[in-house]
Amino acid sequence: QSALTQPASVSGSPGQSITISCTGTSSDIGGYNYVSWYQQHPGKAPKLMIYDVSNRPSGVSNRFSGSKSGNTASLTISGLQAEDEAHYYCSSYTSSTTLVFGGGTKLTVL
Amino acid sequence: EVQLLESGGTLVQPGGSLRLSCAASGFTFSSYAMSWVRQAPGKGLEWVSGISGSGGSTYYADSVKGRFTISRDNSKNTLYLQMNSLRAEDTAVYYCAKDLRGTAMVTVFDYWGQGTLVTVSS
Repeated sequence: QSALTQPASVSGSPGQSITISCTGTSSDIGGYNYVSWYQQHPGKAPKLMIYDVSNRPSGVSNRFSGSKSGNTASLTISGLQAEDEAHYYCSSYTSSTTLVFGGGTKLTVL
Repeated sequence: EVQLLESGGTLVQPGGSLRLSCAASGFTFSSYAMSWVRQAPGKGLEWVSGISGSGGSTYYADSVKGRFTISRDNSKNTLYLQMNSLRAEDTAVYYCAKDLRGTAMVTVFDYWGQGTLVTVSS
């Protein structure tokens, strides 16, 4: 149950687009379309942003999008806004019938 | 409105035991799998354990298997986590989380509680 691999940090200017990668294996990301992305602001509970690779829950801005290729999933945020500054975590269902998270990526809006 | 309210977090000595509770409301509790997810201070999220809506299937991370037990009382709309043989590395905020889908699998969480802090220290 090794954690999925995410970059520790990414940054972008307001209005720009950024992409956060999440790399796993064929036993998790590569084997299932149960990849999710969560946003977490300091001191707050995580919030679901993307599920099943590319689906957005009701109420989540369409500036957030997800994709997957092989063992790597990606979260793209377009039109960066100051309020997007947060930590982002990916997660995936695994062949062991468990769930695994990525180590998290801190997004800084410059 | 879906609400998840955790309780039971406190300071406990290494080797000790603790039971966390999560009171749920605003949805048909028995229809959804539930999980516990923890976050050590300044660290990332770690899935700990999950349970199907009926309670008939349970799942654990390797780091807690054999020490923690997840359970639920659907008549009380409450989720539990019994934690035994606690270690310093179990220190974290523990969140309960509701699965998006009404299945036995643990796949994605659409609602989270605000968390309860467990500190394991002598």
